[in-house]
Amino acid sequence: RKEVEQDPGPFNVPEGATVAFNCTYSNSASQSFFWYRQDCRKEPKLLMSVYSSGNEDGRFTAQLNRASQYISLLIRDSKLSDSATYLCVVLHNGGNYGGSQGNLIFGKGTKLSVKP
Amino acid sequence: NAGVTQTPKFQVLKTGQSMTLQCAQDMNHEYMSWYRQDPGMGLRLIHYSVGAGITDQGEVPNGYNVSRSTTEDFPLRLLSAAPSQTSVYFCASSYYRTGTGEQYFGPGTRLTVT
Repeated sequence: RKEVEQDPGPFNVPEGATVAFNCTYSNSASQSFFWYRQDCRKEPKLLMSVYSSGNEDGRFTAQLNRASQYISLLIRDSKLSDSATYLCVVLHNGGNYGGSQGNLIFGKGTKLSVKP
Repeated sequence: NAGVTQTPKFQVLKTGQSMTLQCAQDMNHEYMSWYRQDPGMGLRLIHYSVGAGITDQGEVPNGYNVSRSTTEDFPLRLLSAAPSQTSVYFCASSYYRTGTGEQYFGPGTRLTVT
């Protein structure tokens, strides 16, 4: 099983739609979770962190379910400018160097295309 | 601040050639890393560093070397380029490797090995 799995999409939605992305992670010891956004042929940028209590930033809501090892991102009232690939990212906190300990593990991303 | 800068933006190499991808940051970040991104594979960690003089391997280190002589610079060396190393390479930095998880990425280097 891959460490971080996402539906690759693409998700094609009209402006104003609500769209939800899901992500699962395999390492139950993972401590921190994030959503990054990557525009076409650009570098990834942090969109938001994901907290156990859930968190909201404007039109974006992130949820974490530790028991199910599941993370979600909800985008309300989609804009054309939301078109991008959304990367689910997990941080394995750990005291040792090497491999994935203490480093970010990226999902392959879910592509969103918002149409007029 | 310039943030994270990478050079070159594009590079074409022949099989067997060597080269160094440059990465620099001006945010005084302790943690720096190199990723490669391939279609359908997502970002994969090559090497990382938690401070000057300290480096370690990530998920896909074979064929690459790194060094960290200063806080600002973290070059990635391809020893003998192979077509399998055709990819987009991103350098990233952050304040602390187990901190907020907010890594700042450079604009990337698109490498083609023929």
